[in-house]
Amino acid sequence: DTAVSQTPKYLVTQMGNDKSIKCEQNLGHDTMYWYKQDSKKFLKIMFSYNNKELIINETVPNRFSPKSPDKAHLNLHINSLELGDSAVYFCASSQLARRNSPLHFGNGTRLTVT
Amino acid sequence: AQSVTQPDIHITVSEGASLELRCNYSYGATPYLFWYVQSPGQGLQLLLKYFSGDTLVQGIKDFEAEFKRSQSSFNLRKPSVHWSDAAEYFCAVGAGSGANNLFFGTGTRLTVIP
Repeated sequence: DTAVSQTPKYLVTQMGNDKSIKCEQNLGHDTMYWYKQDSKKFLKIMFSYNNKELIINETVPNRFSPKSPDKAHLNLHINSLELGDSAVYFCASSQLARRNSPLHFGNGTRLTVT
Repeated sequence: AQSVTQPDIHITVSEGASLELRCNYSYGATPYLFWYVQSPGQGLQLLLKYFSGDTLVQGIKDFEAEFKRSQSSFNLRKPSVHWSDAAEYFCAVGAGSGANNLFFGTGTRLTVIP
């Protein structure tokens, strides 16, 4: 009965590779997000999709490309991985139409680039 | 621009003692404020939120927070800490239509000693 699930939980890869992280939510929410948490635990929003449309696109290298096949899924594809991409990536969802709806987070994907 | 400051990087309290975690925000309009908790290896769980109305907000696990507009603060409190409360605590302010674009503080790590 996991609400927001991300896979994989851990991802170790070499510089220059391309990798994807998948996220699914079963809460019926209309909005999904990707957040990045760096080594100092600072959390910053990367992207947000509402009903499969991009609504927030922060200053993120274009090597990062989100894809939302439907409103229950938001995947993150990263090309040409760099050392600085090492972080924990969190997926989240909310019901944007309901103003009081908070974000529900997944358990994170720890990406290590060597 | 929105920002959140959590002045205490690390706090240690004894089990059974009271707790207060500080949070100061900067935002031009009425803020939407949140406290999240992150246990090791887990995602973020919402403790409580403030949107409007009563400035003293009750949350889960006996946590509460008080919104003080004059001090731009939203401090988190708990009357008696349990060992299971040891975690990282994040304060966040919502921009835009509320919760869809959260700006997080850098977190406060809570250690509980027996």
